[in-house]
Amino acid sequence: SQQGEEDPQALSIQEGENATMNCSYKTSINNLQWYRQNSGRGLVHLILIRSNEREKHSGRLRVTLDTSKKSSSLLITASRAADTASYFCATDQYGNKLVFGAGTILRVKS
Amino acid sequence: EPEVTQTPSHQVTQMGQEVILRCVPISNHLYFYWYRQILGQKVEFLVSFYNNEISEKSEIFDDQFSVERPDGSNFTLKIRSTKLEDSAMYFCASTERTGGKTEAFFGQGTRLTVV
Repeated sequence: SQQGEEDPQALSIQEGENATMNCSYKTSINNLQWYRQNSGRGLVHLILIRSNEREKHSGRLRVTLDTSKKSSSLLITASRAADTASYFCATDQYGNKLVFGAGTILRVKS
Repeated sequence: EPEVTQTPSHQVTQMGQEVILRCVPISNHLYFYWYRQILGQKVEFLVSFYNNEISEKSEIFDDQFSVERPDGSNFTLKIRSTKLEDSAMYFCASTERTGGKTEAFFGQGTRLTVV
């Protein structure tokens, strides 16, 4: 079974709007992390939320975690064209690895 | 700010050749990883390495692959007898994994093209 599935697969919004991406997973986790990837580039760590946390903020980013529903959301407020990228959630399942989802491609139009 | 560095950024190799991808993890990190991303697909875990040995590996990480920490700073992934399907972006990552600090920091990746 696949873990860390994001939706939507693609999201296109206007600059200034908010973007919300969701992630679901299937097993118990230690924490959940969100990463950003510009086209063909490396993965940039955005934010980590631990399993005992429900919400976390970092600048224009807000992450929520609902362990009862095994889901997380990433909200980017007041989006900018520079936010255009792919966003991945990754779960740390008490093991020695991260399990990544398929990602959401975000396009912010100026 | 400390970062994970990978070399080369792009490597083209003939099918059947051996390649070595190199990584310099963040200096005070204890756990090292290799992941790969085939074009347009999700990032997949290959192997984790701690205390000079493999701590976990995926089904992808078969006998064709090996990892090594030859000195105190480098972490390498060797792919023997490359196949066309090994073409992908390979990412190295490292974490402290102590004191609850489990954020993984990734390098910029090596794009491997097998022809």
